[in-house]
Amino acid sequence: DAGITQSPRHKVTETGTPVTLRCHQTENHRYMYWYRQDPGHGLRLIHYSYGVKDTDKGEVSDGYSVSRSKTEDFLLTLESATSSQTSVYFCAIRQASIGGSYEQYFGPGTRLTVT
Amino acid sequence: GESVGLHLPTLSVQEGDNSIINCAYSNSASDYFIWYKQESGKGPQFIIDIRSNMDKRQGQRVTVLLNKTVKHLSLQIAATQPGDSAVYFCAETHSGYSTLTFGKGTMLLVSP
Repeated sequence: DAGITQSPRHKVTETGTPVTLRCHQTENHRYMYWYRQDPGHGLRLIHYSYGVKDTDKGEVSDGYSVSRSKTEDFLLTLESATSSQTSVYFCAIRQASIGGSYEQYFGPGTRLTVT
Repeated sequence: GESVGLHLPTLSVQEGDNSIINCAYSNSASDYFIWYKQESGKGPQFIIDIRSNMDKRQGQRVTVLLNKTVKHLSLQIAATQPGDSAVYFCAETHSGYSTLTFGKGTMLLVSP
């Protein structure tokens, strides 16, 4: 599992409240990612990080912010949650593969419901 | 909650059959193409990738074929087993593997 954990695993929150999801890795990977997964849309990249304090936007970054103050933790924050942000959120890391390219390994996911 | 498998194209096969899952991609500049498997309630799992300068790559029971002329990628699974039942996603990268763009997925159902 490449040492990836996500917390919380499930959360129900109300519209307008702030929410922070945490991704933690234990293997010192440089690249970390946040995706959301919705029926009919597959996996879509929200934000990613290529080092401490180095982040960039993905395809669906509006309404989300991230922070990476240390290598092992990548935080995803919904400043004011909306019902459209109800989704399953996956964190991933990138590591070199045997074949000379890279692989992304995914965490177990966080199911977020905004009521 | 609603399953990721809803609204997906579905391929139903019998155990022991060979399965072929197809994917069309749009970016001719992509460097690598990757297949992921996602079982219910779990994160996606890497299966195999293929570099854009290759046509075919084989793994254990899986083969990926790339046709750049028609921008088509396929995953062939030999002797499909019930444990292969999952949603399969293709993905592509064109930024030195910094980011991936995923397709919408195909559900594979294997009956005994």
